[in-house]
Amino acid sequence: GAGVSQTPSNKVTEKGKYVELRCDPISGHTALYWYRQSLGQGPEFLIYFQGTGAADDSGLPNDRFFAVRPEGSVSTLKIQRTERGDSAVYLCASSFGLAGGDTQYFGPGTRLTVL
Amino acid sequence: GDSVTQMEGPVTLSEEAFLTINCTYTATGYPSLFWYVQYPGEGLQLLLKATKADDKGSNKGFEATYRKETTSFHLEKGSVQVSDSAVYFCALRSGGSNYKLTFGKGTLLTVNP
Repeated sequence: GAGVSQTPSNKVTEKGKYVELRCDPISGHTALYWYRQSLGQGPEFLIYFQGTGAADDSGLPNDRFFAVRPEGSVSTLKIQRTERGDSAVYLCASSFGLAGGDTQYFGPGTRLTVL
Repeated sequence: GDSVTQMEGPVTLSEEAFLTINCTYTATGYPSLFWYVQYPGEGLQLLLKATKADDKGSNKGFEATYRKETTSFHLEKGSVQVSDSAVYFCALRSGGSNYKLTFGKGTLLTVNP
C-alpha cells in the first residue's frame, strides 16, 4: 500500500514569504506527526495530531508556525513570514494507534530553503 | 529533558566488517528505544526497537539490546554489506509521552566493496 507522501519534495522561497507543506498519511492512520530536521541533526518533534485535533503542539518553535488537519487525514504545516533559519527538511509521520504508541511511518520529507 | 547521544560519524567500513554504532540516552521513566535508518533518497524507516530493559531488537542482521544499567542501545551487525550504507538514527520514546520521538544526530555509514 501507499506510504506517507509529502508535497512538494522541495520548496524554495524568499525570506518573509508564506509557505504551506502538505502531508498525506497512510490511509486509516489516526495519528499524525510533524518533525523538522536541520542539517546535521536528527529530526525534532513539532506537533502531534490525534484525529483532527492537535494533541501536542509544544514543539512548534514560535507563532509563525501552524498546522491543521481539518478532516483527520491530510495535514498542512503553514509557516508565515519565513526566515532563513526555517530552512530544513520537514518530515511527516503517521501511525495507526489511537494513543500514538505504534510505529511511526515517515514520509520522504519536504526540503524547505529560505533565501 | 530526554536526549540521545550517538556515535559521531562518518563511519567507513569494508564489506563483511563488524559494525557497532554506540547510542546512549537520558530519559524520564522507562522509554522505548528505536533505531531508524535512512537510505539515500528515501525516508526514515524503522529498523528495530525494544520496549523494555534487556529486550533485544533485531532485523536484517542488525541487533541492539536495551541496557538499562548503562542507558545504552548500541547497534551491531556481524557482517555489513554495501547495501547497508545509510544514515542510522537512534531514538527514544519516553514513558511520559507515548508518541514523541527524540532522535540522536545520526551516524553516516559507508560500506565499501
